[in-house]
Amino acid sequence: RKEVEQDPGPFNVPEGATVAFNCTYSNSASQSFFWYRQDCRKEPKLLMSVYSSGNEDGRFTAQLNRASQYISLLIRDSKLSDSATYLCVVNGLTGGGNKLTFGTGTQLKVEL
Amino acid sequence: EAGVAQSPRYKIIEKRQSVAFWCNPISGHATLYWYQQILGQGPKLLIQFQNNGVVDDSQLPKDRFSAERLKGVDSTLKIQPAKLEDSAVYLCASSFSSLNGYTFGSGTRLTVV
Repeated sequence: RKEVEQDPGPFNVPEGATVAFNCTYSNSASQSFFWYRQDCRKEPKLLMSVYSSGNEDGRFTAQLNRASQYISLLIRDSKLSDSATYLCVVNGLTGGGNKLTFGTGTQLKVEL
Repeated sequence: EAGVAQSPRYKIIEKRQSVAFWCNPISGHATLYWYQQILGQGPKLLIQFQNNGVVDDSQLPKDRFSAERLKGVDSTLKIQPAKLEDSAVYLCASSFSSLNGYTFGSGTRLTVV
Protein backbone atom coordinates (compact mmCIF):
# COMPACT_ATOMS: atom_id res chain seq x y z
CA ARG A 1 0.00 0.00 0.00
CA LYS A 2 1.33 3.46 -0.87
CA GLU A 3 2.05 5.76 2.05
CA VAL A 4 -0.21 8.46 0.58
CA GLU A 5 -2.82 7.67 -2.07
CA GLN A 6 -4.79 10.05 -4.23
CA ASP A 7 -6.99 9.73 -7.28
CA PRO A 8 -4.82 11.25 -10.05
CA GLY A 9 -7.84 12.56 -11.98
CA PRO A 10 -8.10 14.66 -14.04
CA PHE A 11 -11.23 16.19 -12.61
CA ASN A 12 -12.82 18.35 -15.31
CA VAL A 13 -15.45 20.64 -13.79
CA PRO A 14 -17.34 23.73 -15.00
CA GLU A 15 -16.65 27.09 -13.47
CA GLY A 16 -18.71 27.57 -10.33
CA ALA A 17 -18.88 23.87 -9.48
CA THR A 18 -17.99 22.31 -6.15
CA VAL A 19 -15.31 19.65 -6.28
CA ALA A 20 -13.86 17.37 -3.60
CA PHE A 21 -10.58 15.51 -3.48
CA ASN A 22 -9.82 12.63 -1.18
CA CYS A 23 -6.61 11.19 0.13
CA THR A 24 -5.73 8.23 2.35
CA TYR A 25 -2.54 7.60 4.27
CA SER A 26 -1.07 4.43 5.73
CA ASN A 27 1.01 5.63 8.70
CA SER A 28 -1.29 5.93 11.68
CA ALA A 29 1.45 7.79 13.57
CA SER A 30 1.37 10.68 11.10
CA GLN A 31 1.36 13.97 12.91
CA SER A 32 0.42 16.75 10.55
CA PHE A 33 -1.25 17.07 7.20
CA PHE A 34 -1.25 19.56 4.37
CA TRP A 35 -2.62 20.29 0.95
CA TYR A 36 -0.19 21.76 -1.56
CA ARG A 37 -1.03 23.23 -4.92
CA GLN A 38 1.28 22.79 -7.91
CA ASP A 39 0.83 24.67 -11.15
CA CYS A 40 2.25 23.28 -14.38
CA ARG A 41 6.04 23.49 -14.40
CA LYS A 42 6.09 25.28 -11.04
CA GLU A 43 7.08 24.25 -7.54
CA PRO A 44 4.51 23.04 -4.99
CA LYS A 45 3.09 25.77 -2.76
CA LEU A 46 1.40 25.29 0.58
CA LEU A 47 -2.36 25.72 0.21
CA MET A 48 -3.47 24.91 3.72
CA SER A 49 -2.83 22.79 6.76
CA VAL A 50 -5.39 20.20 7.75
CA TYR A 51 -6.69 19.84 11.30
CA SER A 52 -8.93 17.28 12.96
CA SER A 53 -11.48 19.99 13.67
CA GLY A 54 -11.56 20.91 10.00
CA ASN A 55 -10.48 24.26 8.67
CA GLU A 56 -11.72 26.65 6.07
CA ASP A 57 -9.98 29.32 4.04
CA GLY A 58 -12.37 31.17 1.78
CA ARG A 59 -13.66 28.72 -0.81
CA PHE A 60 -11.42 25.92 0.45
CA THR A 61 -12.29 23.50 3.25
CA ALA A 62 -10.01 20.74 4.52
CA GLN A 63 -11.01 17.86 6.74
CA LEU A 64 -9.06 15.15 8.55
CA ASN A 65 -10.45 11.85 9.79
CA ARG A 66 -7.73 10.18 11.86
CA ALA A 67 -9.77 7.05 12.56
CA SER A 68 -10.17 6.37 8.83
CA GLN A 69 -6.77 7.87 7.94
CA TYR A 70 -8.48 10.05 5.39
CA ILE A 71 -8.02 13.66 4.32
CA SER A 72 -10.25 15.72 2.06
CA LEU A 73 -10.20 19.05 0.28
CA LEU A 74 -13.40 20.76 -0.87
CA ILE A 75 -13.34 23.65 -3.33
CA ARG A 76 -16.54 25.64 -3.70
CA ASP A 77 -17.42 28.00 -6.57
CA SER A 78 -14.49 26.80 -8.70
CA LYS A 79 -12.56 29.41 -10.66
CA LEU A 80 -10.54 28.96 -13.81
CA SER A 81 -7.50 29.92 -11.75
CA ASP A 82 -8.04 26.88 -9.50
CA SER A 83 -6.83 24.65 -12.33
CA ALA A 84 -3.74 22.93 -10.95
CA THR A 85 -2.54 19.72 -9.34
CA TYR A 86 -3.43 19.32 -5.67
CA LEU A 87 -0.97 17.32 -3.61
CA CYS A 88 -1.94 15.60 -0.38
CA VAL A 89 0.97 15.68 2.06
CA VAL A 90 1.47 13.79 5.29
CA ASN A 91 4.10 14.49 7.94
CA GLY A 92 5.02 11.24 9.63
CA LEU A 93 7.61 10.13 12.11
CA THR A 94 10.38 8.02 10.61
CA GLY A 95 13.66 6.70 11.93
CA GLY A 96 15.30 9.90 10.81
CA GLY A 97 12.73 12.26 12.26
CA ASN A 98 9.70 13.89 10.69
CA LYS A 99 9.31 13.58 6.96
CA LEU A 100 6.78 14.98 4.50
CA THR A 101 5.44 12.33 2.14
CA PHE A 102 3.59 13.49 -0.96
CA GLY A 103 0.80 11.82 -2.86
CA THR A 104 1.00 11.75 -6.63
CA GLY A 105 -1.44 14.63 -6.86
CA THR A 106 -4.94 15.13 -8.24
CA GLN A 107 -5.24 17.21 -11.38
CA LEU A 108 -8.10 19.72 -11.53
CA LYS A 109 -9.22 21.43 -14.73
CA VAL A 110 -11.87 24.11 -14.38
CA GLU A 111 -13.58 24.93 -17.67
CA LEU A 112 -15.85 27.69 -18.93
CA GLU B 1 11.20 37.33 3.21
CA ALA B 2 13.41 35.94 0.47
CA GLY B 3 12.38 32.51 -0.75
CA VAL B 4 14.40 29.36 -1.33
CA ALA B 5 16.91 29.99 -4.10
CA GLN B 6 18.00 27.27 -6.49
CA SER B 7 20.29 27.16 -9.47
CA PRO B 8 20.51 26.42 -12.27
CA ARG B 9 16.87 26.47 -13.45
CA TYR B 10 17.54 24.08 -16.31
CA LYS B 11 20.30 21.64 -17.15
CA ILE B 12 20.74 19.27 -20.06
CA ILE B 13 23.54 16.72 -19.87
CA GLU B 14 24.49 13.49 -21.53
CA LYS B 15 24.25 10.21 -19.63
CA ARG B 16 27.34 9.36 -17.62
CA GLN B 17 28.18 13.04 -17.15
CA SER B 18 28.09 14.67 -13.74
CA VAL B 19 25.93 17.58 -12.57
CA ALA B 20 25.53 19.65 -9.43
CA PHE B 21 22.62 21.67 -8.09
CA TRP B 22 22.76 24.43 -5.52
CA CYS B 23 20.23 25.54 -2.93
CA ASN B 24 20.11 28.46 -0.51
CA PRO B 25 17.30 28.06 2.03
CA ILE B 26 15.28 30.73 3.76
CA SER B 27 17.36 32.42 6.41
CA GLY B 28 16.92 30.77 9.79
CA HIS B 29 15.43 27.55 8.45
CA ALA B 30 17.32 24.71 10.09
CA THR B 31 15.76 21.93 8.04
CA LEU B 32 16.61 21.51 4.36
CA TYR B 33 15.31 18.89 1.96
CA TRP B 34 16.07 17.72 -1.54
CA TYR B 35 13.18 16.16 -3.46
CA GLN B 36 13.08 14.53 -6.86
CA GLN B 37 9.90 14.94 -8.90
CA ILE B 38 9.50 12.82 -11.99
CA LEU B 39 6.85 13.96 -14.46
CA GLY B 40 3.38 12.87 -13.36
CA GLN B 41 4.47 11.91 -9.86
CA GLY B 42 4.57 13.60 -6.50
CA PRO B 43 7.89 14.78 -5.07
CA LYS B 44 10.02 12.03 -3.52
CA LEU B 45 12.36 12.84 -0.64
CA LEU B 46 16.02 12.21 -1.43
CA ILE B 47 17.71 13.65 1.65
CA GLN B 48 16.88 15.70 4.73
CA PHE B 49 19.33 17.86 6.67
CA GLN B 50 18.93 19.30 10.13
CA ASN B 51 21.48 22.12 10.25
CA ASN B 52 24.51 20.45 8.66
CA GLY B 53 23.71 16.89 9.71
CA VAL B 54 21.87 14.29 7.64
CA VAL B 55 18.73 12.95 9.33
CA ASP B 56 17.28 10.89 6.47
CA ASP B 57 18.96 9.75 3.26
CA SER B 58 17.25 6.39 3.00
CA GLN B 59 15.96 7.05 -0.53
CA LEU B 60 19.13 8.63 -1.90
CA PRO B 61 20.84 6.40 -4.51
CA LYS B 62 24.19 6.69 -2.83
CA ASP B 63 26.11 4.98 -5.60
CA ARG B 64 25.58 8.06 -7.78
CA PHE B 65 23.98 10.80 -5.69
CA SER B 66 25.66 12.82 -2.98
CA ALA B 67 24.66 15.89 -1.03
CA GLU B 68 26.21 18.16 1.53
CA ARG B 69 25.22 21.14 3.59
CA LEU B 70 28.35 22.83 4.80
CA LYS B 71 27.98 25.28 7.68
CA GLY B 72 24.29 24.43 7.90
CA VAL B 73 23.18 26.92 5.26
CA ASP B 74 23.66 26.30 1.52
CA SER B 75 23.44 22.83 0.11
CA THR B 76 24.60 21.08 -3.05
CA LEU B 77 23.26 17.91 -4.62
CA LYS B 78 25.46 16.04 -7.07
CA ILE B 79 24.80 13.23 -9.51
CA GLN B 80 27.74 11.30 -10.91
CA PRO B 81 27.35 9.56 -13.31
CA ALA B 82 23.89 10.55 -14.51
CA LYS B 83 21.43 8.06 -15.99
CA LEU B 84 18.49 8.66 -18.30
CA GLU B 85 16.06 7.91 -15.45
CA ASP B 86 17.49 10.81 -13.44
CA SER B 87 15.61 13.20 -15.72
CA ALA B 88 13.34 15.04 -13.31
CA VAL B 89 12.86 18.28 -11.43
CA TYR B 90 15.03 18.54 -8.33
CA LEU B 91 13.33 20.60 -5.67
CA CYS B 92 14.96 22.07 -2.62
CA ALA B 93 12.76 22.99 0.33
CA SER B 94 13.34 24.40 3.78
CA SER B 95 11.36 24.78 6.96
CA PHE B 96 11.81 26.26 10.39
CA SER B 97 11.05 22.88 11.93
CA SER B 98 10.18 19.53 10.45
CA LEU B 99 6.64 19.77 11.85
CA ASN B 100 5.77 22.75 9.70
CA GLY B 101 4.93 22.94 6.02
CA TYR B 102 7.84 23.52 3.70
CA THR B 103 8.71 26.31 1.30
CA PHE B 104 10.02 25.06 -2.00
CA GLY B 105 12.45 26.63 -4.40
CA SER B 106 11.55 26.85 -8.07
CA GLY B 107 13.52 23.69 -8.80
CA THR B 108 16.13 22.58 -11.32
CA ARG B 109 14.78 20.76 -14.35
CA LEU B 110 17.33 18.13 -15.37
CA THR B 111 17.23 16.39 -18.73
CA VAL B 112 19.61 13.52 -19.31
CA VAL B 113 20.01 12.56 -22.98
